[in-house]
Amino acid sequence: KQEVTQIPAALSVPEGENLVLNCSFTDSAIYNLQWFRQDPGKGLTSLLLIQSSQREQTSGRLNASLDKSSGRSTLYIAASQPGDSATYLCAVKNNAGNMLTFGGGTRLMVKP
Amino acid sequence: SQTIHQWPATLVQPVGSPLSLECTVEGTSNPNLYWYRQAAGRGLQLLFYSVGIGQISSEVPQNLSASRPQDRQFILSSKKLLLSDSGFYLCAWTAFRQGVTEAFFGQGTRLTVV
Repeated sequence: KQEVTQIPAALSVPEGENLVLNCSFTDSAIYNLQWFRQDPGKGLTSLLLIQSSQREQTSGRLNASLDKSSGRSTLYIAASQPGDSATYLCAVKNNAGNMLTFGGGTRLMVKP
Repeated sequence: SQTIHQWPATLVQPVGSPLSLECTVEGTSNPNLYWYRQAAGRGLQLLFYSVGIGQISSEVPQNLSASRPQDRQFILSSKKLLLSDSGFYLCAWTAFRQGVTEAFFGQGTRLTVV
């Protein structure tokens, strides 16, 4: 059974810092991995999707990497801004089955 | 473009009352549809998913049921709500496009059972 873990659970940084959020998964037979952002009381917004054959994806100040063999992904946020404050969730889709398995999320606060 | 609608946004219901949450998707056909629940301080738990009309798979035993009466409509129901049914319910769909399967989520329904 796939298990996804995100570390740290919460993170507070001053504005302008570069930061890394971590995601690990136990079963390396994944189809893809997706990073989401969730604002309080809101749904999930897809940020980046990495296929199992890819090693990284970039969108603006965000860069997500994937090391399937070690069961790890990182989300790098450059030059953080207060508007980046939210919970970040990673989710893995296995080769078998239709479901996404989510990590517990990292709650990020960027202080002005 | 594809969009997903989920309503209501918030709901307060007494214990023992029925529940019906609706989700519809626009701009795509034959999507896979999902219902997730996010309890306070916990991750997302998959409740149901559907690969087609009338096809429902349940991931966990519970007080809830799901139905898919139309291709782009997914309904979450309960005959009698329990206090433990409180949580944030999210509808999602996945589409396979250009060799990629990506998931998209609705804005969620905050259910409080009192």
